[in-house]
Amino acid sequence: GAGVSQTPSNKVTEKGKYVELRCDPISGHTALYWYRQSLGQGPEFLIYFQGTGAADDSGLPNDRFFAVRPEGSVSTLKIQRTERGDSAMYLCASSLLGQEGDEQYFGPGTRLTVT
Amino acid sequence: AQSVTQPDIHITVSEGASLELRCNYSYGATPYLFWYVQSPGQGLQLLLKYFSGDTLVQGIKGFEAEFKRSQSSFNLRKPSVHWSDAAEYFCAVGGNFNKFYFGSGTKLNVKP
Repeated sequence: GAGVSQTPSNKVTEKGKYVELRCDPISGHTALYWYRQSLGQGPEFLIYFQGTGAADDSGLPNDRFFAVRPEGSVSTLKIQRTERGDSAMYLCASSLLGQEGDEQYFGPGTRLTVT
Repeated sequence: AQSVTQPDIHITVSEGASLELRCNYSYGATPYLFWYVQSPGQGLQLLLKYFSGDTLVQGIKGFEAEFKRSQSSFNLRKPSVHWSDAAEYFCAVGGNFNKFYFGSGTKLNVKP
């Protein structure tokens, strides 16, 4: 079946612009996670959705970052007033229920470059 | 606080040689531990996971890992490495809401 998909695969934007990154999770997965992976680092947690609600957004670095999942499926990560330090790979993952120990299935990521 | 340490940034092994990638974790309760592999242009793929029970866990592609509570370790092993195993490997511990805490990764190079 289809895995997690993310669009676009690459995004280049100018400093100060607004960007949206999209994630399509595996159908039927209630839990959705966003991570950010900087060069040479492991992924770092940003936000977790259970259904439509953000159950844990403690990893969002500041209020320029926001994410939604209005129908409990597709999610969009939104970044306002982008900065060069936002350049990274943004990964989305989904899991069936979000219970402890559930496997997370990762998408291929969106590479964001802020010039 | 939860954290994962992968002390080896790069490792090079010859094809056919054995492999061990180190992972140490910090977690207050019984940990859920995972190993993922990331190839260029690919998403993270799960190799294996540990919840409880048998401390030696078998995964895909011939990988295994051993959980050692006394050492807070979850090292990944493979008896004979193939050139296609060249990739970056990440150890992770699952925390509240099952959000993952990843190590910084180990890049594996395989010499012919």
